[in-house]
Amino acid sequence: QLQLQESGPGLVKPSETLSLTCTVSGGSISTSSYYWGWIRQPPGKGLEWIGSIYYSGSTYYNPSLKSRVTISVDTSKNQFSLKLSSVTAADTAVFYCARSGVDTPMVDAFDIWGQGTMVPVSS
Amino acid sequence: SYELTQPLSVSVALGQTARITCGGNNIGSKSVHWYQQKPGQAPVLVIYRDSNRPSGIPERFAGSNSGNTATLTISRAQAGDEADYYCQVWDNTFFVFGPGTKVTVL
Repeated sequence: QLQLQESGPGLVKPSETLSLTCTVSGGSISTSSYYWGWIRQPPGKGLEWIGSIYYSGSTYYNPSLKSRVTISVDTSKNQFSLKLSSVTAADTAVFYCARSGVDTPMVDAFDIWGQGTMVPVSS
Repeated sequence: SYELTQPLSVSVALGQTARITCGGNNIGSKSVHWYQQKPGQAPVLVIYRDSNRPSGIPERFAGSNSGNTATLTISRAQAGDEADYYCQVWDNTFFVFGPGTKVTVL
């Protein structure tokens, strides 16, 4: 059974870069059938898609965050990562990694999610 | 950019039917997905491509999509259905989530 697990520092200072990694277990990240994405949720607010990556390295990002976001993939480790630069308190959120289908019945839906990790931005 | 609208909250009596709407310009031409999120938990996909249920999701959850409105219907509402519900679409090159609806079971 495929599982996703986020990991990263528990606290980031303003103006620094937030870095998170999602480890995929129970299946390979190197499949043509899925994209791998990051979604965030500020406390008490809704879901916001950050960006997604294909195993080949092809990416697409939320235009509102694009200038500060980099998503990369390491197929040898079955992981993909998120970097969000120049963070402020407004970037404080729970960050989720999730899988979305490309040529599956659940195309463009996020069918498997990690448990999420809270990242406060504070000095 | 494409925008989705949802009511802030919906209340439903135990055992009755709740309907949660998701509005968007010509949303009927897009595939709509729905997620359930309980406090402190990750979202769970409950409906994909307008009206399909993933394995393990009760038949009480149903979806429809036409014109400018997609609807998630929860029949025979149970206490365990109390949660936030989000609709989501794919628009050109990015994913869009609705603002979410809090469902309260009375």
